[in-house]
Amino acid sequence: GQQLNQSPQSMFIQEGEDVSMNCTSSSIFNTWLWYKQEPGEGPVLLIALYKAGELTSNGRLTAQFGITRKDSFLNISASIPSDVGIYFCAGLRDDKIIFGKGTRLHILP
Amino acid sequence: DAGVIQSPRHEVTEMGQEVTLRCKPISGHNSLFWYRQTMMRGLELLIYFNNNVPIDDSGMPEDRFSAKMPNASFSTLKIQPSEPRDSAVYFCASSVAGGPGDTQYFGPGTRLTVL
Repeated sequence: GQQLNQSPQSMFIQEGEDVSMNCTSSSIFNTWLWYKQEPGEGPVLLIALYKAGELTSNGRLTAQFGITRKDSFLNISASIPSDVGIYFCAGLRDDKIIFGKGTRLHILP
Repeated sequence: DAGVIQSPRHEVTEMGQEVTLRCKPISGHNSLFWYRQTMMRGLELLIYFNNNVPIDDSGMPEDRFSAKMPNASFSTLKIQPSEPRDSAVYFCASSVAGGPGDTQYFGPGTRLTVL
């Protein structure tokens, strides 16, 4: 079956640093989504990408739909404490959605 | 505006018991999704409905799981009989229309523990 490889699994960074995470797959997807989940809550959609090569920003967050349609990247600039959480990528094709295992972001004081 | 409402928030039950999870989607949303989240398997789509009709239930793990949506404002996910491996957080999400690609709004989840 289709799988998404999300990396890194976890990150420990200093406040103010930039963050990069990515998702890769051996399969092609038509849509890439990035979600954030905080403890005790459901995931919240951050960015949706619909075209290969698309680069989209949402505040300090920027995500890109890879040219090969097999990967996507999420960057967070100038991290702040409230960025802590688990970030999930999700790929869609033919109305099937698959989630990555998540990147857990920790921010050191 | 209320978001997606799920109940109960926590459920502890014994193996073999029937479990019913409930979801009220956002008013005006026509699509509803049930997900399961575990450490091992991550977040998995179990089933989704459009206009109260099940569209894709290929993610439902086995016959012990069933989902219904009797009207636009209510859905249930039932597990009968429950097993310890069903322990997980179950999320309900809704969207205005369409399949999983439409913007989904997740509820807070139900944490199920089967002893």
